[in-house]
Amino acid sequence: QKEVEQNSGPLSVPEGAIASLNCTYSDRGSQSFFWYRQYSGKSPELIMFIYSNGDKEDGRFTAQLNKASQYVSLLIRDSQPSDSATYLCAAPYGGYQKVTFGIGTKLQVIP
Amino acid sequence: KAGVTQTPRYLIKTRGQQVTLSCSPISGHRSVSWYQQTPGQGLQFLFEYFSETQRNKGNFPGRFSGRQFSNSRSEMNVSTLELGDSALYLCASKTGSNPDTQYFGPGTRLTVL
Repeated sequence: QKEVEQNSGPLSVPEGAIASLNCTYSDRGSQSFFWYRQYSGKSPELIMFIYSNGDKEDGRFTAQLNKASQYVSLLIRDSQPSDSATYLCAAPYGGYQKVTFGIGTKLQVIP
Repeated sequence: KAGVTQTPRYLIKTRGQQVTLSCSPISGHRSVSWYQQTPGQGLQFLFEYFSETQRNKGNFPGRFSGRQFSNSRSEMNVSTLELGDSALYLCASKTGSNPDTQYFGPGTRLTVL
């Protein structure tokens, strides 16, 4: 089992809809979780991090963490074509917090 | 603050050669991690350096090595290049405390012919 798992997609949503991206992790000791956005040909850009159970909102983005289910999600409200990118979920793993990434989910927002 | 910088941005090498990539972290960041990104495997962790010491290592062969200098700048070396080493190599820096967030450089695109 991989440390961090994501569906590679693509996930297609119409413009203005809510995009829901999901991620599961295997290390129950992980305390912090990160979402990165990566446009084609570019490097990953940090968009959200979450440490506590529950929801964390930042603009159109909401990160949700459920430690009991080992599940992290990212909701993008009012999706825009500019949100079309690959979204990477990451979590620290092991004693020195090696940050491990999921394969990434490709999001396509259709105008 | 200036972001993470990587040099060179693009590199073309032939099989059997070796290559050295460089990364300068954000000022004040003592941790530098290296990742290999390929379309099929995604982002794979190579190693992390903190205060000139390797404190984490991924599952890559010994041909992949790195080091960190006293100013936190880091280099990654790949010896005896193989075709499968063609990838985007990304460096990320963070302060090194836990919890922490890391920031990526623009990457070095390595092509092995």
